[in-house]
Amino acid sequence: NAGVTQTPKFQVLKTGQSMTLQCAQDMNHNSMYWYRQDPGMGLRLIYYSASEGTTDKGEVPNGYNVSRLNKREFSLRLESAAPSQTSVYFCASSENYGYTFGSGTRLTVV
Amino acid sequence: SQQGEEDPQALSIQEGENATMNCSYKTSINNLQWYRQNSGRGLVHLILIRSNEREKHSGRLRVTLDTSKKSSSLLITASRAADTASYFCATEGLSGNTPLVFGKGTRLSVIA
Repeated sequence: NAGVTQTPKFQVLKTGQSMTLQCAQDMNHNSMYWYRQDPGMGLRLIYYSASEGTTDKGEVPNGYNVSRLNKREFSLRLESAAPSQTSVYFCASSENYGYTFGSGTRLTVV
Repeated sequence: SQQGEEDPQALSIQEGENATMNCSYKTSINNLQWYRQNSGRGLVHLILIRSNEREKHSGRLRVTLDTSKKSSSLLITASRAADTASYFCATEGLSGNTPLVFGKGTRLSVIA
């Protein structure tokens, strides 16, 4: 099993550009999550989807949108990237207890 | 806002020694989980302890939970260089299906 797959692994954007981070899981999990990790800040929740067809805001949703395309896929979109969105982004999925994380997308906005 | 706070922020020990990391949290929880993150990688789930449990073991890991003090500890016995990583606690709130809230982590260095 691949688990949770994130693409791309690295990305550099210019301020104002848009992009979509892709996430797919093959474990038939109902819940999926997007976190960002900044130095000294731990992980902060951006958005989550408790089940297919539902999405909810987390702690830091401003500047982001999400789409739960189907049970497998949960994408994160930056409509107009800002330098403050420079971070490492992690997607995770879960069923009952314990999260499975992807390997992350390192995003730099210049 | 962060629910869990790990202590210490960084820990350096010799191979073979035990490593203890602590986590404090603020509100009542359903369960508390510990994760490991190797440099440049995603987090890996280590162990989960429910609010009605006081201690749990998994291999060289021992986790305790004190709900009256809102704290938990992770003990890694007989540490190895491969244990070098960041360790995070994460809490699940009492409401059903609430996302985990992560602490800022403890960076553990095990020196061979």
